Amino acid sequence: EAGVTQFPSHSVIEKGQTVTLRCDPISGHDNLYWYRRVMGKEIKFLLHFVKESKQDESGMPNNRFLAERTGGTYSTLKVQPAELEDSGVYFCASSRQMNTEAFFGQGTRLTVV
Amino acid sequence: GIQVEQSPPDLILQEGANSTLRCNFSDSVNNLQWFHQNPWGQLINLFYIPSGTKQNGRLSATTVATERYSLLYISSSQTTDSGVYFCAVTRDDKIIFGKGTRLHILP
Repeated sequence: EAGVTQFPSHSVIEKGQTVTLRCDPISGHDNLYWYRRVMGKEIKFLLHFVKESKQDESGMPNNRFLAERTGGTYSTLKVQPAELEDSGVYFCASSRQMNTEAFFGQGTRLTVV
Repeated sequence: GIQVEQSPPDLILQEGANSTLRCNFSDSVNNLQWFHQNPWGQLINLFYIPSGTKQNGRLSATTVATERYSLLYISSSQTTDSGVYFCAVTRDDKIIFGKGTRLHILP
C-alpha cells in the first residue's frame, strides 16, 4: 500500500508568485490534513478535510492560502501570492477515521525568495 | 488549547547508549503518536500509543494517559537514530505536536 505522497518535494519561488502543492493520501483514508513547519518552529495545523468537505480550517494563516480536495481524493494547497514568511516545510497527513493513527507524507520544502 | 511539552530539547549520546524521551500533555487526548523526523525531513511513524506499552525492536514506548505523559525508550543507540523525535497528541481530531527532542548519536 502506497503511503501519503506529496509533490513537489522542493519548490523555490519568488515573492509574489503562486505555488500549488499536491497531496495524495493513502487510498481509503477519508481524513486529510495539512500542516506546516515554518523557520524550524513547531509543526502547526492548517486544515482538515473529511472527504471533500473542510472540517476545520482554523489554522489557515490568511486568505492567500487556498486548499481544495475535489472528489475527496487528492488535495491541493495553493499559496497566492507567496510571501517570504511562507517559507517552510508543508506536510500532508491522512487517516482512515477521525482521531486514529495519522500517516504523514515526506513534506514539500517551500522557499520563497 | 492543549500544550505538549517534550524533554529534553536536545540530547547528545555516544553510540550504544540508552535514552528516554518524555512527552507531557496538559489535558486528556484521544490518542498519541511518536514520530522520527529523519535527516531528509520525513516524519516516520514510530508508535501509535494512546495508552499502555508497545515495543518495536530497540524502541519502546509507554503512555500513562491518566497522568498525561508518554515515554519513548531507545536502547543501544545507533547513528541512524539521529534526528528529531516528535510527540503528537490528537484532541477533537486535531493533531498537536510538541517541539521535539533533537537526538544526536555520536559514532
